[in-house]
Amino acid sequence: DVKVTQSSRYLVKRTGEKVFLECVQDMDHENMFWYRQDPGLGLRLIYFSYDVKMKEKGDIPEGYSVSREKKERFSLILESASTNQTSMYLCASTFGSETQYFGPGTRLLVL
Amino acid sequence: AQKVTQAQTEISVVEKEDVTLDCVYETRDTTYYLFWYKQPPSGELVFLIRRNSFDEQNEISGRYSWNFQKSTSSFNFTITASQVVDSAVYFCALSEAETNFGNEKLTFGTGTRLTIIP
Repeated sequence: DVKVTQSSRYLVKRTGEKVFLECVQDMDHENMFWYRQDPGLGLRLIYFSYDVKMKEKGDIPEGYSVSREKKERFSLILESASTNQTSMYLCASTFGSETQYFGPGTRLLVL
Repeated sequence: AQKVTQAQTEISVVEKEDVTLDCVYETRDTTYYLFWYKQPPSGELVFLIRRNSFDEQNEISGRYSWNFQKSTSSFNFTITASQVVDSAVYFCALSEAETNFGNEKLTFGTGTRLTIIP
């Protein structure tokens, strides 16, 4: 079975802090994705990566950056957290055009 | 631009009733994929089905069935004899066909919260 894990289920940070969300997959998938989920808005793509050190902006990249130094790990970085980044963050991975598999999500609260 | 509309924000039905979740999509691509995911209270999205645009056959998996109609750009999901464990948020999603990079970006609907009343 595909396993996608995220470093934290719940996270509380203060405004202005630098925040790292980590995602690891164990299936040697090339493609990894970060989404945020907000009530009434569904899931929106922040960034994705199709190879090590490669990244592309999704629909809402502002305020975020990403890092993919190893194939299995994809990090989402909030350089200076703001209250409007309070959300549920979901990571996913896939091989080619196959189905995306999701991690359990991280609920981030920025105070 | 791609778009997925799930007009039903919340649905409540009594256990054992059948329920249909609607999904309407927009895309200019001739080749695309459609998905349904379930998100139980634990938060993790669980994959239910993937269907490509050339396959309009309806699919049945146990109590779940899907009706794909290209003519109306719809991909509806029916749960027969609903159970309390079916309570969740359900998302419909659309992806473009495989790009030169081989990746696949998903466009999600806003989700339908389904509550099954015991």
